[in-house]
Amino acid sequence: GQSLEQPSEVTAVEGAIVQINCTYQTSGFYGLSWYQQHDGGAPTFLSYNALDGLEETGRFSSFLSRSDSYGYLLLQELQMKDSASYFCAVRGNTGGFKTIFGAGTRLFVKA
Amino acid sequence: DTGVSQDPRHKITKRGQNVTFRCDPISEHNRLYWYRQTLGQGPEFLTYFQNEAQLEKSRLLSDRFSAERPKGSFSTLEIQRTEQGDSAMYLCASSWVLTSGRATNTGELFFGEGSRLTVL
Repeated sequence: GQSLEQPSEVTAVEGAIVQINCTYQTSGFYGLSWYQQHDGGAPTFLSYNALDGLEETGRFSSFLSRSDSYGYLLLQELQMKDSASYFCAVRGNTGGFKTIFGAGTRLFVKA
Repeated sequence: DTGVSQDPRHKITKRGQNVTFRCDPISEHNRLYWYRQTLGQGPEFLTYFQNEAQLEKSRLLSDRFSAERPKGSFSTLEIQRTEQGDSAMYLCASSWVLTSGRATNTGELFFGEGSRLTVL
């Protein structure tokens, strides 16, 4: 089976940097994704890591350590619009590479 | 292509009734997924299709739930004899996945806006 753990809530101030951690357990692992979901909206893809290391996309970066079954999403220069839920998601190499989501981290950005 | 579309966006029904949701994926995508999401939780995997073949159904899914994807295009999710516990947002997503031996792309999921079900 697969399971993911991430903090339920994080609060930060505008302009700051925040890191959202994710640990996972899976019987087969191919990659770790991050999705953002605003209230009332659909989840949208942010990033994907299949190999160890850091992937950077603008203000967002994502890190993966396969040996530690651990990853994080780093958000820099926080803006009010970044207030949303962030989900880590595991893509397994069994079961046809389907994607399983964590419970999500609610990020509150304060002025 | 305008993305993944779902219909209806909202459905209110009485316990015991049957409901059906439709999903139209991005046309060039070969994968279609159904997820269920309740407040404060992440999307919970229900089932997925590779073209027209249903490849996996969650073991947590009751026999009251059935999904089809005729001709590998749109998909329907039917819930029979609805219960109050079925109240949730039902999300459809599509993706393009390379599965010849190993997945070599991100498998990014494109979600629809969801169908919110309320069972009274």
